[in-house]
Amino acid sequence: EVHLLESGGGLVQPGGSLGLSCAASGFAFSSFDMTWVRQAPGKGLEWVSSISFSGASTYYADSVKGRFTISRDNSNKTVQLHMSSLRVDDTAIYYCVTGGVVVDPSTWGQGTLVTVSS
Amino acid sequence: QSALTQPASVSGSLGQSITISCTGTNSDLGGYNFVSWYQQHPGKAPKLIIFDVSNRASGVPDRFSASKSGNTASLTLSGLQPEDEADYYCSSYRSSGTRVFGGGTKVTVL
Repeated sequence: EVHLLESGGGLVQPGGSLGLSCAASGFAFSSFDMTWVRQAPGKGLEWVSSISFSGASTYYADSVKGRFTISRDNSNKTVQLHMSSLRVDDTAIYYCVTGGVVVDPSTWGQGTLVTVSS
Repeated sequence: QSALTQPASVSGSLGQSITISCTGTNSDLGGYNFVSWYQQHPGKAPKLIIFDVSNRASGVPDRFSASKSGNTASLTLSGLQPEDEADYYCSSYRSSGTRVFGGGTKVTVL
């Protein structure tokens, strides 16, 4: 069974940094593109970033470009999202999802809450 | 990056059918068949129900069907059940090398 477990969420001040991690199991991780999607409280889904199966290609939403960095470690079956220069409007549940920009995102983790507040 | 356009809410009676629309542009929905739909119950993670425009994900009842015409994709729920009450989101690949979601539609079963 495909399982994704996000970690690293928490409270951070505006302008600060935070790193999220997603541990994958139950599928051939190194063959799958991976994606982060976020959902602000009471709001809709927003695509954040995707990374190709090899890690060679990365993609970002305009709202996070230059501030967030996605990476992956295929040997440890993890995908990371490093977030810097965080803003109040980055507050959201961040979901790790299998799939990428082209391939429809499919399996979702349970999410990790990031709160940016002073 | 503007979102795809969905109605904020749709309602229907138990057993009836409803259709949710999702409107984009030639740069996303209209130009590609990488269109998916997700169901999200309150407090839960989204769940894939449709991929590649009209293919049901594993385990999804055939009461759920989807299609696309031009720049508009549609999700139809037939024979509405109480458990269908949820938020529904469409998503598409966009030619700028990004992915975009719709604003979401709240489905109420009367």
